[in-house]
Amino acid sequence: DAGITQSPRYKITETGRQVTLMCHQTWSHSYMFWYRQDLGHGLRLIYYSAAADITDKGEVPDGYVVSRSKTENFPLTLESATRSQTSVYFCASSEVGTVGEQYFGPGTRLTVT
Amino acid sequence: SQQGEEDPQALSIQEGENATMNCSYKTSINNLQWYRQNSGRGLVHLILIRSNEREKHSGRLRVTLDTSKKSSSLLITASRAADTASYFCATVQTGANNLFFGTGTRLTVIP
Repeated sequence: DAGITQSPRYKITETGRQVTLMCHQTWSHSYMFWYRQDLGHGLRLIYYSAAADITDKGEVPDGYVVSRSKTENFPLTLESATRSQTSVYFCASSEVGTVGEQYFGPGTRLTVT
Repeated sequence: SQQGEEDPQALSIQEGENATMNCSYKTSINNLQWYRQNSGRGLVHLILIRSNEREKHSGRLRVTLDTSKKSSSLLITASRAADTASYFCATVQTGANNLFFGTGTRLTVIP
């Protein structure tokens, strides 16, 4: 199906574990983004990518790693999960970056115990 | 932080009434975007207004932008129960590649 998908949709993990959240889009959009959504903070940008093999930090990158070897995939890895990383994570893609609309995935609810 | 702030935080209206939400921001912008989020879902883009535009319409949506006051408003006319959602403004700072989201307005439309 065309669109942007995220997996898993729900994840519970323990402090210190490595976790990878997956994002896949079928539009061949150049830009992809990772946000986290927390109560009282709205959405905050973690990392973004303007093209395959090009990534850059957003507002809250500490504790996260990204890669983009293929245009359609943009995985987000928490190298050593902490309780403060409990959040809802959204992936988005865009054909034109911030000068146009972004298309959001359904989100991954991550709980770190 | 360049984060926008929406006002009010929550709004409850009767079906058929108009709903107005406001967004204020701190820095000069390239554009401002409004998104809707239904409970438990991802965000959906509603409308984008550029810094040199003052007003845009899309269906029942009307967005205004006042760069001198660093504020924007989203008007939803003739609201429906299906409009119940959270609404977020997001700004793109001049020269930046980031979208900065506000904390949102929670709109409830009562049938």
